[in-house]
Amino acid sequence: GQNIDQPTEMTATEGAIVQINCTYQTSGFNGLFWYQQHAGEAPTFLSYNVLDGLEEKGRFSSFLSRSKGYSYLLLKELQMKDSASYLCAVMDSNYQLIWGAGTKLIIKP
Amino acid sequence: NAGVTQTPKFRILKIGQSMTLQCTQDMNHNYMYWYRQDPGMGLKLIYYSVGAGITDKGEVPNGYNVSRSTTEDFPLRLELAAPSQTSVYFCASSYGREGNEQFFGPGTRLTVL
Repeated sequence: GQNIDQPTEMTATEGAIVQINCTYQTSGFNGLFWYQQHAGEAPTFLSYNVLDGLEEKGRFSSFLSRSKGYSYLLLKELQMKDSASYLCAVMDSNYQLIWGAGTKLIIKP
Repeated sequence: NAGVTQTPKFRILKIGQSMTLQCTQDMNHNYMYWYRQDPGMGLKLIYYSVGAGITDKGEVPNGYNVSRSTTEDFPLRLELAAPSQTSVYFCASSYGREGNEQFFGPGTRLTVL
């Protein structure tokens, strides 16, 4: 079966750094996406990785290791507005996205 | 650019009723998708379309139907609503498939009682 695992909830302090991990087992791999979803809203795209390594975009970075079936999303200089759920999704061999259940990130002042 | 729009935002249905969830995108995207999101679970793909006139089943298609008569519109039809269809439904679109981000509509929160 296909499976995406990520922690259910994480707590961090404003101004700090947090790393959200995602491990996956899918039939085929055509890229990994990270989305942000605020409560009651739609998911919005954050990052895409298809090759091993780190992709940096402002305060957000995403890392991929295909051999380990592992990715992480790194958020720096946390702000209160970063309180949201972070969804990891893998595009499988049929080019369909398989989604994790999401990690709820709580930021404390 | 309105992006992806969905109507209605909220709806309560009785068991056995039918309804259509509307989805429209103005980005000229070929690919469109319907997902459902249940608490504590990842998004599940219901149906998708790769262009006007072409639709295909996703992971959880039972109890739903779709059509794609134009590039812009991708309605989702629920026939004989059941409590198990209580969920938040998201429509999304993308320009291509591989490596292309999906743009999501605001969602429809559906309750079946």
